[in-house]
Amino acid sequence: QVQLVESGGGVVQPGRSLRLSCAASEFTFRSSEMHWVRQAPGKGLEWVACISYDGSNKYYADSVRGRFTISRDNSKNTLYLQMNSLRGEDTAVYYCARESGFTFDSWGQGTLVTVSS
Amino acid sequence: EIVLTQSPATLSLSPGERATLSCRASQSVSSYLAWYQQKPGQAPRLLIYDASNRATGIPARFSGSGSGTDFTLTISSLEPEDFAVYYCQQRNNWPITFGQGTRLEIK
Repeated sequence: QVQLVESGGGVVQPGRSLRLSCAASEFTFRSSEMHWVRQAPGKGLEWVACISYDGSNKYYADSVRGRFTISRDNSKNTLYLQMNSLRGEDTAVYYCARESGFTFDSWGQGTLVTVSS
Repeated sequence: EIVLTQSPATLSLSPGERATLSCRASQSVSSYLAWYQQKPGQAPRLLIYDASNRATGIPARFSGSGSGTDFTLTISSLEPEDFAVYYCQQRNNWPITFGQGTRLEIK
């Protein structure tokens, strides 16, 4: 059973930074492309970023490009999302998800990020 | 960016009835469309990938069809646990995009 466990969410002031982590287990993490998807309160799903299995390729949504950085440590089976210059519109539950052919076949339980002064 | 428009926004049906959910793309996505189910407080769950393939463990009452710009998710006979929000998602073009969701509620 694939397990993805996010952590690092919380309340942060606008303009500050936060780093999310996603611990993966029960599958071969180093062979999997991974994504972050977010969901603002009461809203739909928004794809945020993805990273190739070896970390060599990264893609971002326009809304976060230049502010967020996705990375991974395959030795630790962990995915990261470094979020800088946070804005109110970044308030959301952030999910990590495993990719299977550009669909998301496994999801974590999510971590809530609230950007507020 | 490909825009996915789901209809209806809300669908009110009773257990045992047939549900038909629609997803329309602003341009062709070939067959690269997936469907997800999300219940309150839970992460989304993959139901259908590549328009018509059920994901592992998904009951046969769920089926997907369509190609190009028009897609349908059908639930043949609603069970109580099927009442949730459903999202479509395309992977044909970057960025990956989702529809706004259809809420399936008990009538």
